[in-house]
Amino acid sequence: EIVLTQSPGTLSLSPGERATLSCTASQSVASNYLAWYQHKRGQAPRLLIYGASNRASGIPDRFSGSGSGTDFTLTVSRLEPEDFAEYYCHYYGSAPLTFGPGTKVDIK
Amino acid sequence: QVQLVESGGGLVKPGGSLRLSCAASGFTFGDYYMNWIRQAPGKGLEWLSYITSGGSYSYYADSVKGRFTISRDNAKNSLYLQMNSLRAEDTAVYYCARGTNPPPDHWGQGTLVTVSS
Repeated sequence: EIVLTQSPGTLSLSPGERATLSCTASQSVASNYLAWYQHKRGQAPRLLIYGASNRASGIPDRFSGSGSGTDFTLTVSRLEPEDFAEYYCHYYGSAPLTFGPGTKVDIK
Repeated sequence: QVQLVESGGGLVKPGGSLRLSCAASGFTFGDYYMNWIRQAPGKGLEWLSYITSGGSYSYYADSVKGRFTISRDNAKNSLYLQMNSLRAEDTAVYYCARGTNPPPDHWGQGTLVTVSS
């Protein structure tokens, strides 16, 4: 099973600032089967990035993903008010699929 | 548009059973693998199970293996999760979600399951 860890646990930033979120896998992720989700309380999670660096449909270009192997990064270039939320990385290569524990991005 | 609507959640006693349903619309249900994913109070997302498009194969997280069973009825555009031997730690919002690879791109709003005496 691929275990994902995320850092930091909480990121306190102001609107307009850059957010950099990290996700580390316990073993190499084949074919970059790594995705990122945004989740707000009471809403369905929203797919942001798949294949480590591909933006999902309708996702603004201020969201970008990078990385390979065991180390992955989600960057939000300039935080908008609606971007303050929880973010999860997700391994989807083969069962068992796994999620990281999440990074909360809150308003400083 | 794609819609996934979960139902069947509620309050159940430890050791009890519950069956969740997910009604799909707006896409060809039988073309997609489908998942159940949950979020316990104050916790992160946890993948539970997925089933292949035709229903022939299913996979489970260790935490629910042997207790939960995923199934689908493509004629009814519906996904199910039979949950037996429920424990307090199964208390969570349960989501159905479409697709595994590419990863789930549409999720329902979730249904709350509370396991308590």
